[in-house]
Amino acid sequence: SQQGEEDPQALSIQEGENATMNCSYKTSINNLQWYRQNSGRGLVHLILIRSNEREKHSGRLRVTLDTSKKSSSLLITASRAADTASYFCATSTGFQKLVFGTGTRLLVSP
Amino acid sequence: ETGVTQTPRHLVMGMTNKKSLKCEQHLGHNAMYWYKQSAKKPLELMFVYNFKEQTENNSVPSRFSPECPNSSHLFLHLHTLQPEDSALYLCASSQVVALEEQYFGPGTRLTVT
Repeated sequence: SQQGEEDPQALSIQEGENATMNCSYKTSINNLQWYRQNSGRGLVHLILIRSNEREKHSGRLRVTLDTSKKSSSLLITASRAADTASYFCATSTGFQKLVFGTGTRLLVSP
Repeated sequence: ETGVTQTPRHLVMGMTNKKSLKCEQHLGHNAMYWYKQSAKKPLELMFVYNFKEQTENNSVPSRFSPECPNSSHLFLHLHTLQPEDSALYLCASSQVVALEEQYFGPGTRLTVT
């Protein structure tokens, strides 16, 4: 399966620290996306990186993509308590659907 | 507020009931999706509609029946559900099917008793 797998499954840090989450996948992709989900709510799209891109920034978010290793990382800098959520990567191969990973639960303590 | 609404937000139903979940998107998108999210499992794609036509049925049991009357509305009709169907059901939409970002609704928390 092409399913993405996030690592770590859970991450606990203090406010102000950086948080890094990793995603690995198995097949070639068109793009890779990161989403955030607050407890029991819908997912919110954070950033999309295409297969021919290596790095992308959006505010405090930095995403890298290494297609040779079939992996991506999401870095949240200067984390805040409001960043507490689950983070998912999703891969698109162009065949009708996104395939989501299992997610990383991030807890940012004040 | 993502522009995708879902009703009801919470639903408790018995195994013999029939109910429907509703999703509406105000974004002018052409593709809509139903996902199921169970505890400790990855998000599972159930159905994909592109320009009102179903293009994906991810081996979903027939007790779940989708309906897409137009590009803005999507329903999930439920009947004779099982307790293991209890989950968060999420609707999403996108401009182009699966290639760009998806916009999710807040979900319906379904409990089957």
